Amino acid sequence: TQLLEQSPQFLSIQEGENLTVYCNSSSVFSSLQWYRQEPGEGPVLLVTVVTGGEVKKLKRLTFQFGDARKDSSLHITAAQPGDTGLYLCAGFSGNTGKLIFGQGTTLQVKP
Amino acid sequence: GAVVSQHPSWVICKSGTSVKIECRSLDFQATTMFWYRQFPKQSLMLMATSNEGSKATYEQGVEKDKFLINHASLTLSTLTVTSAHPEDSSFYICSASYGTAMNTEAFFGQGTRLTVV
Repeated sequence: TQLLEQSPQFLSIQEGENLTVYCNSSSVFSSLQWYRQEPGEGPVLLVTVVTGGEVKKLKRLTFQFGDARKDSSLHITAAQPGDTGLYLCAGFSGNTGKLIFGQGTTLQVKP
Repeated sequence: GAVVSQHPSWVICKSGTSVKIECRSLDFQATTMFWYRQFPKQSLMLMATSNEGSKATYEQGVEKDKFLINHASLTLSTLTVTSAHPEDSSFYICSASYGTAMNTEAFFGQGTRLTVV
C-alpha cells in the first residue's frame, strides 16, 4: 500500500515568515498534487507535479517534486493570514488509480 | 479547472433513515469518482472508488451495505448512507477524475455535512 507522510501536521507562524511543508513516501508516484482546503469546503487543487526534479511556482508558493518522484515539498514565502488553511498532498496509487492523501498540514498565519 | 458539484451541501436526518448525496461532473466526463470521509481537522479518508457502469471498490473497513455507491453515468455518482446513525455524522466529499494514468487530476465537490440526530 502506498502511503504519503506529510509533515508538519500543525504549523502556527507570524505573518511574513517562511515555511515549508513536506510530503514523503517510500513509493514512486507518477504525479503528486497539492490541495488547499477551507473549513466546510472541498479541497481546491493548487498544482500537479509530474516530472522528477520539477519546480513550479504559484505566486508566493513554490512546489518541488523530488528527483526520484517519492517526495514533494511546498514552500510559502512571506506567509500572509490569507494563507491560513489545511494543505494536503495527494497522489494516485500505482495501478489501482486510487487518489490517496497525506495527513494534511493545518497552517495558521497570525497577523 | 473542471467543475464538480455536490448536493446537498448539508443535511440533517433522523437516526434510522437513509440519505443520498449526489456528485456531478458538470463540464467533463469522469471516468472515475472517489468518495471520501473527513473528520474535523483531519485529512480525507478514501471510502470507495467507482468507475462508470461497474461496482464500486470499497476500502477496507468500509461497509458496502451501509454506504451504497452508484455510478450510473460518466457525470453522476451517488452515495447513499443507509440506516444512518449519529456516528455516521461527518463531512463527505466526492471527487471526479479523467485522463490517462500518468497525468490524471482529480477535482472535488464542495462537500456534504451530514448530521444524524
